[in-house]
Amino acid sequence: AQSVAQPEDQVNVAEGNPLTVKCTYSVSGNPYLFWYVQYPNRGLQFLLKYITGDNLVKGSYGFEAEFNKSQTSFHLKKPSALVSDSALYFCAVRSLSGGYNKLIFGAGTRLAVHP
Amino acid sequence: DVKVTQSSRYLVKRTGEKVFLECVQDMDHENMFWYRQDPGLGLRLIYFSYDVKMKEKGDIPEGYSVSREKKERFSLILESASTNQTSMYLCASNPPPPGELFFGEGSRLTVL
Repeated sequence: AQSVAQPEDQVNVAEGNPLTVKCTYSVSGNPYLFWYVQYPNRGLQFLLKYITGDNLVKGSYGFEAEFNKSQTSFHLKKPSALVSDSALYFCAVRSLSGGYNKLIFGAGTRLAVHP
Repeated sequence: DVKVTQSSRYLVKRTGEKVFLECVQDMDHENMFWYRQDPGLGLRLIYFSYDVKMKEKGDIPEGYSVSREKKERFSLILESASTNQTSMYLCASNPPPPGELFFGEGSRLTVL
């Protein structure tokens, strides 16, 4: 079965420090991987995606993610966290099921950046 | 910019009422989706549609139905609302794979 795991419910980091939000996946075939961010009472916003090519993917708001095939991971990173980065982050993987493409989402990780 | 609009941001309904959640997208996307978001469970797919008048069940379709009469509009219907359907509902659309999903702002439904 295809799945996504975000092992941390919450990540706390001080402003200016680097941050990592973890994601591991299980999928048959080549993975298409995505990160989304959700601010309070808002819909999800796309941050970045990995389809193929360079394992380090750069996205919006200074975020990047590293694809690691051997560890089946796609961790989200940022070199220097901002208080405004505090939000709920979702990892997702494309699932091909019954001939249809769908996205399967992780449970989400709440990022809290402290001044 | 792609815009996905959900008609109601907040709704309060009573048990047994019929509820309509409307979603419209303006980018001519063929694919549209309804998700339900609950704390600790992430997003779960209720129904999706790859074309007009076409629908497919997602992972949790029980208690829900959908309608897609026009390409830009995808409606979620709760035939008889129950308290366990209190949740945040998110509509999304996307171009053909591997295009990312574009989400609406969400509809927070409370069933009393």
